[in-house]
Amino acid sequence: AQKITQTQPGMFVQEKEAVTLDCTYDTSDQSYGLFWYKQPSSGEMIFLIYQGSYDEQNATEGRYSLNFQKARKSANLVISASQLGDSAMYFCAMRENNAGNMLTFGGGTRLMVKP
Amino acid sequence: DAMVIQNPRYQVTQFGKPVTLSCSQTLNHNVMYWYQQKSSQAPKLLFHYYDKDFNNEADTPDNFQSRRPNTSFCFLDIRSPGLGDAAMYLCATCRGGLGITEAFFGQGTRLTVV
Repeated sequence: AQKITQTQPGMFVQEKEAVTLDCTYDTSDQSYGLFWYKQPSSGEMIFLIYQGSYDEQNATEGRYSLNFQKARKSANLVISASQLGDSAMYFCAMRENNAGNMLTFGGGTRLMVKP
Repeated sequence: DAMVIQNPRYQVTQFGKPVTLSCSQTLNHNVMYWYQQKSSQAPKLLFHYYDKDFNNEADTPDNFQSRRPNTSFCFLDIRSPGLGDAAMYLCATCRGGLGITEAFFGQGTRLTVV
């Protein structure tokens, strides 16, 4: 079974608008962390935002926020005021406390920002 | 300042000729990962180290080996590269132990097999 599912292979958003990228996960562990990474065409993986399973507040980092719904096992990334430079692949990832140090990725979403 | 450095950025190797990719880190993290990423796919974990403890993924081919001589360096050896091994190889580090923290990635090595 997939641990991390990203159901949107590709998305378009108009510049300056907000966009939500979906991520659902599957774990029986009580302690885990959820991450979002951005991968531009250059290939490097850039860390964006982190949400711990025990964190009560949704994580925010500048224009990025994470809509964490624990009961639904979803951790959607919201990008506000999209910029052309936001065009990239976005990956959701998870580390589970009982899975050692494995970091598992979803299939990714390609976001394209239209001018 | 770069914290996880991969060399080289681009590597071209001949079919069947052994090749080594390197990764170094200045973060003093005890966990290091090697991922293989093919075009338009998610990164696939090949193996990872917790300190010197080596963890091989069950479906990682024997053709792939790794060495970690010290905390700062980790190497990926491909003993006999095939055309199907052409990919981006990503090295990452994180702090293991108490708490869950983010992994930091290098810029990757793009491997071409000719």
